[in-house]
Amino acid sequence: DIQLTQSPSFLSASVGDRVTITCRASQGISSYLAWYQQKPGKAPKLLIYAASTLQSGVPSRFSGSGSGTEFTLTISSLQPEDFATYYCQQLNTPGTFGQGTKLEIK
Amino acid sequence: QVQLVESGGGLVKPGGSLRLSCAASGFTFSDYYMSWIRQAPGKGLEWVSYISSSGSTIYYADSVKGRFTISRDNAKNSLYLQMNSLRAEDTAVYYCARDRDYYDSSGLFGYYMDVWGKGTTVTVSS
Repeated sequence: DIQLTQSPSFLSASVGDRVTITCRASQGISSYLAWYQQKPGKAPKLLIYAASTLQSGVPSRFSGSGSGTEFTLTISSLQPEDFATYYCQQLNTPGTFGQGTKLEIK
Repeated sequence: QVQLVESGGGLVKPGGSLRLSCAASGFTFSDYYMSWIRQAPGKGLEWVSYISSSGSTIYYADSVKGRFTISRDNAKNSLYLQMNSLRAEDTAVYYCARDRDYYDSSGLFGYYMDVWGKGTTVTVSS
């Protein structure tokens, strides 16, 4: 099975910062990647699919890029509501998730 | 509005069984693949199973294969997960989710989850 490794696992940042989270796949997955945001006690929320397509209703400060084995999620200017845990997921079966990146307030 | 509501979680002893349900509303349930995903306490997300819109295609994670059975009733807009031979490591919040299919130029099938329920908690403990 394809493994996904996110880095960093923890990230401390301030409101207004630009942050980037990386997801690396153990083998090429083309553009078959999604990103989710999860806040404590809540269900995950889809942010991006097909590596770079923004889900409807998601703010444009979120963007995704990459193809093959390396992908990034970028938040251009952190807002207070963005502090959460972020997961990547590969879209092939089984839909493996990365281990998560917890974004905390500095 | 589009909504998924899970039910059926609870406390069960190791080796026991539990059946989870997921009630869908606000969309044409029979048009969509559906998945179950779980999250152990303090841990990350783990995909468990998916079922095609007609129920003819089903996949399971290796960790639950042979113990869990996914099914659906399109007439009742409902998704189910029958969990048998439960283990302590099955303790988790179980989410149902609506799947959207994705294909690039290769034509390879892919899917992502665009709508999630709030989850139901399963605790396996003696």
